[in-house]
Amino acid sequence: SYALTQPPSVSVAPGETARMTCGGNNIGSKSVHWYQQRPGQAPLLVISYDSDRPSGIPERFSGSNSGNTATLTISGVEAGDEADYYCHVWESSSDYLVFGGGTKLTVL
Amino acid sequence: QVQLQESGPGLVRPSQTLTLTCTVSGGSIGSGTYYWSWIRQPAGKGLEWVGRIYTSGSPNYNPSLKSRVTIQLDTSKNQFSLKLTSVIAADTAVYYCAGMDYYGSGTHWGQGAQVTVSS
Repeated sequence: SYALTQPPSVSVAPGETARMTCGGNNIGSKSVHWYQQRPGQAPLLVISYDSDRPSGIPERFSGSNSGNTATLTISGVEAGDEADYYCHVWESSSDYLVFGGGTKLTVL
Repeated sequence: QVQLQESGPGLVRPSQTLTLTCTVSGGSIGSGTYYWSWIRQPAGKGLEWVGRIYTSGSPNYNPSLKSRVTIQLDTSKNQFSLKLTSVIAADTAVYYCAGMDYYGSGTHWGQGAQVTVSS
């Protein structure tokens, strides 16, 4: 079965750039989506199709995907960005959706 | 604006069947715009996709749950449902319903429903 690997945690100071990775076998050939989840809230889509920002998502959020790694980048991190971030892909060979284990972003 | 709301029992006994309903407003579930999905999250853990249904074709299920899961549409009520049989404590989670596109990109989620499996 297809698996996605995310680092458990990333810490950055306010104003710095946070980079969170999502690793998977040849993930660059798939469409990767990223969700932000604050405590007690439903997930919020922040990046779709590798690098598209849904309406209302700040330009500080960007994404890339190549080879075996997809990356979510948050520039000029703010305290309000502190949350869990999940990547996911649709595994078309078996018709199921796979989530990564999530990365907790801490703003120091 | 499409909105989703989960409903159902908050407590289910072990070995019984968990049943949840998602009511959709602001759009028709029969329109073919979205794949209607269920995702769950045990306390303190990550997201797990349960399955999805479209207006045509067969539902898709998480292979690890496939033998116990059924997702159905009720277009007359603009609802879709989740049934999970033979539940165990490990099925305790917040269950979310969501409207997503084919590849799982989704901006429409319910607020989540806590379901506890306990005797």
